[in-house]
Amino acid sequence: EDQVTQSPEALRLQEGESSSLNCSYTVSGLRGLFWYRQDPGKGPEFLFTLYSAGEEKEKERLKATLTKKESFLHITAPKPEDSATYLCAVQARASGTYKYIFGTGTRLKVLA
Amino acid sequence: DTEVTQTPKHLVMGMTNKKSLKCEQHMGHRAMYWYKQKAKKPPELMFVYSYEKLSINESVPSRFSPECPNSSLLNLHLHALQPEDSALYLCASSLEDSYNSPLHFGNGTRLTVT
Repeated sequence: EDQVTQSPEALRLQEGESSSLNCSYTVSGLRGLFWYRQDPGKGPEFLFTLYSAGEEKEKERLKATLTKKESFLHITAPKPEDSATYLCAVQARASGTYKYIFGTGTRLKVLA
Repeated sequence: DTEVTQTPKHLVMGMTNKKSLKCEQHMGHRAMYWYKQKAKKPPELMFVYSYEKLSINESVPSRFSPECPNSSLLNLHLHALQPEDSALYLCASSLEDSYNSPLHFGNGTRLTVT
């Protein structure tokens, strides 16, 4: 069964304290892995798409990497405004169509 | 601001009411989605429209009725809802449902059923 697991469930960091979020996946026919940021009461905001193992994408303090079994979202020197829930999703083929399967997210809190 | 616009932002309705949620995008995307999200949970797929035709219905109760009038608009008609249907309802779009393009979400409608 296709599955996406994120860890940790919640993470508290001091401002400037770098860390990584993990997204592990078990899917057949992976077509893409996506990272989103979601603020409370808002819709997920697209961050990155990764297509193949070894690929990396960067945006400001965020860097996403992909291997054959997992993806990491590295946060370098985070600021309080980086506090949010980070979701990863994979697009996989299922029953003749394509579905986006979401992980349960990591709730990040960055303290000033 | 997002490129997917949802109205209303908040909705309170009784169990006997009929209401509709609306979603609009002008990015030329041909796939549109309805998701339901409960607190501290990931978005849960309800419906997918591809080229204005319903392609996926995730066994959603008939009290939720989707409609895609054209390639830019998506509606969700609500009737006889239950309190457990209270949630954030998210609309999303993508280039096509068979193409590995990201979903673009609106900011959702916060629905409360009393």
